[in-house]
Amino acid sequence: EAGVAQSPRYKIIEKRQSVAFWCNPISGHATLYWYQQILGQGPKLLIQFQNNGVVDDSQLPKDRFSAERLKGVDSTLKIQPAKLEDSAVYLCASSLGAAGFANEQFFGPGTRLTVL
Amino acid sequence: AQSVAQPEDQVNVAEGNPLTVKCTYSVSGNPYLFWYVQYPNRGLQFLLKYITGDNLVKGSYGFEAEFNKSQTSFHLKKPSALVSDSALYFCAVRPGNTGGFKTIFGAGTRLFVKA
Repeated sequence: EAGVAQSPRYKIIEKRQSVAFWCNPISGHATLYWYQQILGQGPKLLIQFQNNGVVDDSQLPKDRFSAERLKGVDSTLKIQPAKLEDSAVYLCASSLGAAGFANEQFFGPGTRLTVL
Repeated sequence: AQSVAQPEDQVNVAEGNPLTVKCTYSVSGNPYLFWYVQYPNRGLQFLLKYITGDNLVKGSYGFEAEFNKSQTSFHLKKPSALVSDSALYFCAVRPGNTGGFKTIFGAGTRLFVKA
């Protein structure tokens, strides 16, 4: 079974530029998550989708971050404009069941973003 | 506020000795509890979870965890550590269905197993 795919793996941009990350979850997984992991910290949930609907985006900085999951499969996360404090690893994960189930999450390799 | 605490930044143990990585939580409802591991240059991997039932749950690679409701803890254990267990371990908690669907991760504990 193929795992969660993410691209790019690394990205370096200057502050105030925009950047987009892509995620392809495991086939058939209903729930998709985007996390931000700052060095030395645990992953912090940015947004959670169930199919193509948003379940939780309470920690997404909506003035600069946006995400979509068209057709309930692939997802993109965008930052516009980027700030220095956005430097982090952005993790995408998926799980089989709906948001109400306690399914384990399967993580992609992450995208390491450096904002200069 | 809902939170997860991993009180130790690093745990050092000799190979063959038992290991414990601690986790305590503060969330509403009856939570679902998870442990994930992150090996160097690899993504986060699921180890085990507690949903309900027996307080001792067994997972991958010989790991187990004990749920203690009164102490709101979910400590990860292994009877005999291996050098290959050296990695970063994260405790994660999802509040019960009345507390929302957001999974909260601890800051992580680095386990170092010495040969």
